[in-house]
Parts: sequence; C-alpha cells; structure tokens
Amino acid sequence: DAKTTQPPSMDCAEGRAANLPCNHSTISGNEYVYWYRQIHSQGPQYIIHGLKNNETNEMASLIITEDRKSSTLILPHATLRDTAVYYCIVRVASPDYGGSQGNLIFGKGTKLSVKP
Amino acid sequence: NAGVTQTPKFRILKIGQSMTLQCTQDMNHNYMYWYRQDPGMGLKLIYYSVGAGITDKGEVPNGYNVSRSTTEDFPLRLELAAPSQTSVYFCASSYSTSGYTFGSGTRLTVV
Repeated sequence: DAKTTQPPSMDCAEGRAANLPCNHSTISGNEYVYWYRQIHSQGPQYIIHGLKNNETNEMASLIITEDRKSSTLILPHATLRDTAVYYCIVRVASPDYGGSQGNLIFGKGTKLSVKP
Repeated sequence: NAGVTQTPKFRILKIGQSMTLQCTQDMNHNYMYWYRQDPGMGLKLIYYSVGAGITDKGEVPNGYNVSRSTTEDFPLRLELAAPSQTSVYFCASSYSTSGYTFGSGTRLTVV
C-alpha cells in the first residue's frame, strides 16, 4: 500500500500558485519524497524529489516540513496544461537499498484541475 | 535520444492467447520496471530489474514473466491472457536515485 495520503482532488485558477499537500507520517530516515504527474492517459512524468531540504527546479518547488511528516508541491504559476493527477511517493534511494522498498509505489494521487 | 519506447501501442487479445510487450531504453539506465494501470487507479508494479540478468517480482506478478538479457531491453510476457489483464501497461527506467522515465504505454484489451 502507498505510504502517503493526498486529497483526491483540487482546483486552481490559471496563473495562480497550486499547492498540493501530502502526508507521509511514517516516512523513514532513508526515504525520499518523490512527485510525479500523469496527464490524461500518458505515462507518468517525474517532477521533483527531496530528502529533507526544500528543492526547486524549472517545474516546481518541494517544501518538506522539518519533521518530514508532510510536504507540499508548489506549481508557482499554474497553466491549463498542468491539469493532471499528481502522485506523492516515498521510497528509499534505489532497489539496492531494502529490495522492493526502493521501487515507486503509486497511490491514487490528487487530481488537479486548473481552470481559466 | 528516444527515451523509453514501448510497442505496440494498442493490442486486442483473445482469452488464452499469448503476447510480448516490448520495452527498450537508450539512456543506459540500469533499472527498469513494468507497471499496469487499471481505469481510475494508480499504477501497480508488476516486475522490476536492477540490471541485465536480474529480475524480481513486484506487487502483481501473477500471469506475467520478464527477462533482461541486455541493459536496453525489458520485455514483458503474457502466456495465457485473461480478461483481468485488460489494462494499460507502462515501462519505465531509471538510475538508482533519479526520477523514472516512463514510456507512453501499451493499451491491452483481452476479450
């Protein structure tokens, strides 16, 4: 089972920041937080990941709380093309560490709808 | 640089038929994965591989087989197709700590 909890759906106005929350209260010290999104029926797309520090790339920012029990993915200026299902996943660094625990286990994610 | 390529994109199988879903990547990634996604659900891991010659079961391996003879290729075999295997299948690859790169999927219907 997925080790994260996300709201099933969220709306966001075009041009505004989209803040997607994720709870991972049982996260272990060696587990990273990963975010992916899936647009319509396409393959999931990697967005960002982090261990304990906040991270930023050209797509998004990831804010992880100090106790690492929750995180927020921020899309700073949402567009209609950001409408997708967003998945928050925790995992160890790789399958080499803890065997199958290194694999991505997907939950149901948050369906983000960006509206004009 | 094509990334992860899956073939075919669509396929209809009759119950009991067999087929191989092809997956190849040109990024020299050591790890490869097969997932299935049923309508309205998240992805479920079928099999994964940490390198050529090494494969292991994921969450839902029953009814499937894989092989990894080269770094580039990771085919998924269905021996006796069943209606429960109707799904969209995604192949992915990665380095150890990087994000996964997914293919565009194979939509399989078993009738």
